[in-house]
Amino acid sequence: DAKTTQPNSMESNEEEPVHLPCNHSTISGTDYIHWYRQLPSQGPEYVIHGLTSNVNNRMASLAIAEDRKSSTLILHRATLRDAAVYYCILSSDYKLSFGAGTTVTVRA
Amino acid sequence: GAVVSQHPSWVICKSGTSVKIECRSLDFQATTMFWYRQFPKQSLMLMATSNEGSKATYEQGVEKDKFLINHASLTLSTLTVTSAHPEDSSFYICSAGGESYNEQFFGPGTRLTVL
Repeated sequence: DAKTTQPNSMESNEEEPVHLPCNHSTISGTDYIHWYRQLPSQGPEYVIHGLTSNVNNRMASLAIAEDRKSSTLILHRATLRDAAVYYCILSSDYKLSFGAGTTVTVRA
Repeated sequence: GAVVSQHPSWVICKSGTSVKIECRSLDFQATTMFWYRQFPKQSLMLMATSNEGSKATYEQGVEKDKFLINHASLTLSTLTVTSAHPEDSSFYICSAGGESYNEQFFGPGTRLTVL
């Protein structure tokens, strides 16, 4: 599986947007870009996924670079409940390989 | 979204005993389920892919005779940790694929502590 690179941690203030970058320079044409997040002591939760076009849902937005070698997850207004580890994962089938992710801290 | 449950949510057992963990998809049928393990301060590691009605596919380095997986129906997969030892203490998480394989639904996890 192609690998992703994410910053170890990011901090944000409550009610402010959070932009989480992910580099995936070896992405293949069939790889989807998935984002999951995991709150402490819980199973991961699906956030969003995309292939080529930018995507929006009720949780977040996903901006995908034109060359698909990077993407950014955008949380529009961070809340304390958004504090979690966010994983950027590439997959062309069911299997998900989790990296270290980005630990997001939200300050009140 | 779809709901996946796990039972038990936590279990403490003595070394040498076997522990069974259940993973259920509550409102959808899952042909494929996955089992992960997560040690403290680490990321999830895929252990095996469980397919309904067939043998599980184990990732490299995972002992199939120690971690027995059964996927007898489209809503239930079980993971049995046989002859558990303290080093098997971990957070075990299952997931199930939805209609689109682009979204997986994860269970809440089972915390196993082997004394």
